Amino acid sequence: DQQVKQNSPSLSVQEGRISILNCDYTNSMFDYFLWYKKYPAEGPTFLISISSIKDKNEDGRFTVFLNKSAKHLSLHIVPSQPGDSAVYFCAASPYSGGGADGLTFGKGTHLIIQP
Amino acid sequence: SQTIHQWPATLVQPVGSPLSLECTVEGTSNPNLYWYRQAAGRGLQLLFYSVGIGQISSEVPQNLSASRPQDRQFILSSKKLLLSDSGFYLCAWSRHRGRNSPLHFGNGTRLTVT
Repeated sequence: DQQVKQNSPSLSVQEGRISILNCDYTNSMFDYFLWYKKYPAEGPTFLISISSIKDKNEDGRFTVFLNKSAKHLSLHIVPSQPGDSAVYFCAASPYSGGGADGLTFGKGTHLIIQP
Repeated sequence: SQTIHQWPATLVQPVGSPLSLECTVEGTSNPNLYWYRQAAGRGLQLLFYSVGIGQISSEVPQNLSASRPQDRQFILSSKKLLLSDSGFYLCAWSRHRGRNSPLHFGNGTRLTVT
C-alpha cells in the first residue's frame, strides 16, 4: 500500500513556464512533507519542506503548497529553467522536522524542461 | 564538512553471484546510516538502518544483509543475487534518526543482475 503517491511519472514543461508537481498521501498521521531533487547518477538532495501547520512555503523559485483536507501537496517552480530537469521525490514523515525516522517516499516524477 | 562516498557507481553481476556495496561517511562521528533501494517504477524503499557499530535493523525481508564494521562504514551484501535485486541502491546518513535531522544521500550504485 503506497502511502505517498506521485501519479505522474513524467512531466514536460517549456522553459520559463510554471512547473507543477503533485503528490497525494493517505496517512493522516503525516506531519511534515519534503521534496527531494535527483539528477542522474547522483543521490537525492533536499529541496524544500513544509510543516502541516502551514499551507505554503516559498524559497526562491520553489513553492510548496499543502492541502491537508485533500491530503495533497504540490511543488511549483516558477520560472522553470533547464537545470530544473531532474526527478523530484515527494516524501512524508509523521514527525515534525522531517528527519529520517518514518520517512516515506513517493515514486518520483521526472521533470523535463524543454528549451 | 561531511561527505558520503559510495562505490561502485555501476555494477553488473550474474544471478547467484555475491554482492558487496560499500559506503563511508567523512566529517562526522556516530552517524545514523541507511541503505535505500529504488527499483524500476518504485519509490525509495528503506532496506536497513544502523544507529551504531554492529547495530543493524532491517525494514523489509529480503535477500540482502547489511553490516557496520566501523563507525562510518556501512556495507550491503548478498551471498547469491536474484534478478529482483536489480535497482539503484543509495546509502544515506543523518545525525540521528529523529526529528530535524535530514537525510544526506550518496550518489548511488546502479546494480543490474543478469
